[in-house]
Amino acid sequence: DAKTTQPNSMESNEEEPVHLPCNHSTISGTDYIHWYRQLPSQGPEYVIHGLTSNVNNRMASLAIAEDRKSSTLILHRATLRDAAVYYCILRDISGNTPLVFGKGTRLSVIA
Amino acid sequence: DTEVTQTPKHLVMGMTNKKSLKCEQHMGHRAMYWYKQKAKKPPELMFVYSYEKLSINESVPSRFSPECPNSSLLNLHLHALQPEDSALYLCASSQSKVMDVYFGPGTRLTVL
Repeated sequence: DAKTTQPNSMESNEEEPVHLPCNHSTISGTDYIHWYRQLPSQGPEYVIHGLTSNVNNRMASLAIAEDRKSSTLILHRATLRDAAVYYCILRDISGNTPLVFGKGTRLSVIA
Repeated sequence: DTEVTQTPKHLVMGMTNKKSLKCEQHMGHRAMYWYKQKAKKPPELMFVYSYEKLSINESVPSRFSPECPNSSLLNLHLHALQPEDSALYLCASSQSKVMDVYFGPGTRLTVL
């Protein structure tokens, strides 16, 4: 299975942008890059996904390196409610690989 | 309705008990999942159902028995569990195996 590497933890000040990195040097051409997050005492929730181009939605932006070996999840203005564990996950376009979580990055937001 | 519901929220059981966890979704999703999550660890995949058929069993011990009675419901039957099985059990669903996955809030299970 293709794997991802993320920092164990990061800290951000409230209302500042946060850049959460993910390395996936063994990504294959048919792997989508997905991001999920898990808020305290909740189940994980989908954040964003992309294949090659940068993606934006109401929650975040996803910047994908040209060689696709790394990506960055961008929260434009962190709030206290964004404190969570963020997971970067590769999923094959065929859907034959289920959602498998790595260790993720625990984001703390300071008021 | 865009949510996955799980009951009960909390469950305490003895090692000789038989209990069931229930999961329901009304989004028309055809793939459903069970995950187990220990404290401070990422969720671990246990089972995947696709179109009501078990498609993945991640070598889960037989004391955990999944059941998908229809496309909206997913059960996890528990029997003769061990204290180390205490964890948060998460149910999830997706429209298909390639689409975004929606998670329920989980059932926190304690085995005494």
